[in-house]
Amino acid sequence: EAGVVQSPRYKIIEKKQPVAFWCNPISGHNTLYWYRQNLGQGPELLIRYENEEAVDDSQLPKDRFSAERLKGVDSTLKIQPAELGDSAVYLCASSRDNWSETQYFGPGTRLLVL
Amino acid sequence: GENVEQHPSTLSVQEGDSAVIKCTYSDSASNYFPWYKQELGKRPQLIIDIRSNVGEKKDQRIAVTLNKTAKHFSLHITETQPEDSAVYFCAASSQEGYKLSFGAGTTVTVRA
Repeated sequence: EAGVVQSPRYKIIEKKQPVAFWCNPISGHNTLYWYRQNLGQGPELLIRYENEEAVDDSQLPKDRFSAERLKGVDSTLKIQPAELGDSAVYLCASSRDNWSETQYFGPGTRLLVL
Repeated sequence: GENVEQHPSTLSVQEGDSAVIKCTYSDSASNYFPWYKQELGKRPQLIIDIRSNVGEKKDQRIAVTLNKTAKHFSLHITETQPEDSAVYFCAASSQEGYKLSFGAGTTVTVRA
């Protein structure tokens, strides 16, 4: 079984520029999560999808962050414009469904904003 | 919301010794407690988890204990090996069952 796939793995941008991250979950997994992991800390949930519906985006800074999962499979997380404080690792995770607690993580995208 | 605290932040052990990491949580309704291992530059990987109806779970050299009354749970690694060196995260689920709150992590170094 292929794991969660994310791209790019690394991204360096200047502040105020836009950036997008892509995630493809494990095949058959209906629930998709985006997390942000700051240096030396644990992951923090940004948004959770059940199929194509965002069912929890309470932690997503909506002034500059957006996400979509149009066909209920892969997902894109966007930041526009990026700020210095957005430098972090952005992790995608998936689980089989809303009742499956086990979350499988992707390798993450390491973002550096200069 | 749920608050998870993890101690120690760093742990250095001699190869073959045991390592213990402790976490406390605040939400008494939390009922799922996974542990993830993250090697440098790699994805967090689930190594063991426990649910609130169980007090202890073991998988080879790894064990987790849960004390719901005191709201704390611990990871025990016995006979540590160099490949156990990594950052370990504990987490607890919210009432909804899916929203994981993570501890800040413990960097474990196994000295050969």
